[in-house]
Amino acid sequence: QQQVKQSPQSLIVQKGGISIINCAYENTAFDYFPWYQQFPGKGPALLIAIRPDVSEKKEGRFTISFNKSAKQFSLHIMDSQPGDSATYFCAACMGGETGNQFYFGTGTSLTVIP
Amino acid sequence: KAGVTQTPRYLIKTRGQQVTLSCSPISGHRSVSWYQQTPGQGLQFLFEYFSETQRNKGNFPGRFSGRQFSNSRSEMNVSTLELGDSALYLCASRFGRVNTEAFFGQGTRLTVV
Repeated sequence: QQQVKQSPQSLIVQKGGISIINCAYENTAFDYFPWYQQFPGKGPALLIAIRPDVSEKKEGRFTISFNKSAKQFSLHIMDSQPGDSATYFCAACMGGETGNQFYFGTGTSLTVIP
Repeated sequence: KAGVTQTPRYLIKTRGQQVTLSCSPISGHRSVSWYQQTPGQGLQFLFEYFSETQRNKGNFPGRFSGRQFSNSRSEMNVSTLELGDSALYLCASRFGRVNTEAFFGQGTRLTVV
């Protein structure tokens, strides 16, 4: 059972446009939601993360919007650039002493056309 | 500061063999997690080690095992390899265990023929 559902599977955006990737979760125990960016041949790299006590977090051109009641969160990439072309993964994590694992979405392949 | 180092980068094994993958976390990080990445299933959690103890385990068969040493380096072992084990195996290190950033290595690409 997929704990975190991510859409779309692939996305093509013109340079300068806005890329939007959505994720949804069910387990309300999740309390940390990171986004990772992965280029071919590389491991995922943390892009931006949010905790459920805030509804939005912005870092440069990247913004996470978080809707706790709907159990959804999304990544917005403003002014998308060809260098943003990569696979993006959302994830959810819960803390506690009994264990700590990340549940990843299935990924979105983003292509930014010049 | 050196990142997470995984060795080897590429590996080709025959069905039925066993394989050991290695992960050296960032200096000072005590938590190491392993993930399997495949095109169809995405990133799936294998297990997490903290202070040499397995703290959490994903839904994988017993052929997948791991361990962590006192210097936080970790190894993952897969026995009796199957074709379906072909994947990118990623390790992630974290300083602590509760909601801290995970830093991934470049992974080991395992191909089972």
